[in-house]
Amino acid sequence: QVQLQESGPGLVKPSETLSLTCTVSGGSISSYYWSWIRQPPGKGLEWIGYVYFSGSTNYNPSLKSRVTISVDTSRNQFSLRLSSVTAADSAVYFCARGGWSHDRWGQGTLVIVSS
Amino acid sequence: EIVLTQSPGTLSLSPGERATLSCRASQSVSSRYLAWYQHKPGQPPRLLIYDASSRATGIPDRFSGSGSGTDFTLTISRLEPEDFAVYYCHQYGSSLPYTFGQGTKLEIK
Repeated sequence: QVQLQESGPGLVKPSETLSLTCTVSGGSISSYYWSWIRQPPGKGLEWIGYVYFSGSTNYNPSLKSRVTISVDTSRNQFSLRLSSVTAADSAVYFCARGGWSHDRWGQGTLVIVSS
Repeated sequence: EIVLTQSPGTLSLSPGERATLSCRASQSVSSRYLAWYQHKPGQPPRLLIYDASSRATGIPDRFSGSGSGTDFTLTISRLEPEDFAVYYCHQYGSSLPYTFGQGTKLEIK
């Protein structure tokens, strides 16, 4: 059974870059799309973007200028970088399989933006 | 951006009853590219339905999805105790960004 696990700092300072990694186990990262989705505290879900195993990407236009999603097939991982963060970027960040609907999700990791 | 509006915001029902959750889109969702997720506190969302009416692997047949264009429905035929959660619709049609509804909380009456 494919499992996903997010990892990265839980606290990021304003104006810095948020970096998270999702490790895929129990299956290959190849031949799938992989996504990042976030949920601010007390709010709904927001799609951030996806990466194909080949490296092609698609991003939420509202975040496009600040976000990079990349894939490392040798490590079976994909990553999220979000630059110039503010308090509005505080959220639980989920990684998920699929570029459209998402059938496997990580447990999520809480990232707080604060000085 | 396609805005998804879910109704009702909260639905209070008893186990054994039928639940009908609505998701209305501000524009037509192309090719019925709409999914439904169940979300419980401290857990990741669980895919129930994709492409408007296809059940995901392992999802009980009491969950069904229908609709097209701008109006979609998730129906739970007979509620089980484990079904009480927040439900989100999600469109992934041709126009970016892909968006989620604000959620419907299904609570025990």
